[in-house]
Amino acid sequence: LAKTTQPISMDSYEGQEVNITCSHNNIATNDYITWYQQFPSQGPRFIIQGYKTKVTNEVASLFIPADRKSSTLSLPRVSLSDTAVYYCLVVTNNQGGKLIFGQGTELSVKP
Amino acid sequence: DTAVSQTPKYLVTQMGNDKSIKCEQNLGHDTMYWYKQDSKKFLKIMFSYNNKELIINETVPNRFSPKSPDKAHLNLHINSLELGDSAVYFCASSQGTVVTTIYFGEGSWLTVV
Repeated sequence: LAKTTQPISMDSYEGQEVNITCSHNNIATNDYITWYQQFPSQGPRFIIQGYKTKVTNEVASLFIPADRKSSTLSLPRVSLSDTAVYYCLVVTNNQGGKLIFGQGTELSVKP
Repeated sequence: DTAVSQTPKYLVTQMGNDKSIKCEQNLGHDTMYWYKQDSKKFLKIMFSYNNKELIINETVPNRFSPKSPDKAHLNLHINSLELGDSAVYFCASSQGTVVTTIYFGEGSWLTVV
């Protein structure tokens, strides 16, 4: 199972774009890159998933270079409510739902 | 309507007691999970059930016994509680087991004193 490395914490201000980079050097061909968000006192929530290049949804964008050894979650114009822990996961479809969560990145958005 | 709901949200109990946490999902999913999040925020899978059958058991002490009466419910019973069992327990569900998207409940904060 591919291990991920991401910054433990990040600070930002309202209205800024936040980019959180995740390293996954030993990602396998069948692996997908998935990001979850966890607000205080809540369960993790799926944000976005990708395999390669760029994926965008209403919440975030995910950039994946050709070698897939890293990925960057981009949050446009963050607000105070985006303060949360963001987890980068590398997931293989045949894991039976076994998600391996790392330490995550604690994002703090300030006014 | 809450998709994955678990009760109680908070539970404080003494060492040695037996307690249960209940979980229900109304998403029509056939796979349910229990995850544990410790004080350092690491989230680890404990159990996974697919259509009421156990498919993942991550070396959890046998004091922990999950029970799935039907595919919409997965309860967690813990015997002889220990201080180290204090954590947040999250129930989750997904459609099938070949998935990357899992829906989590709000969590149950267990404190053993």
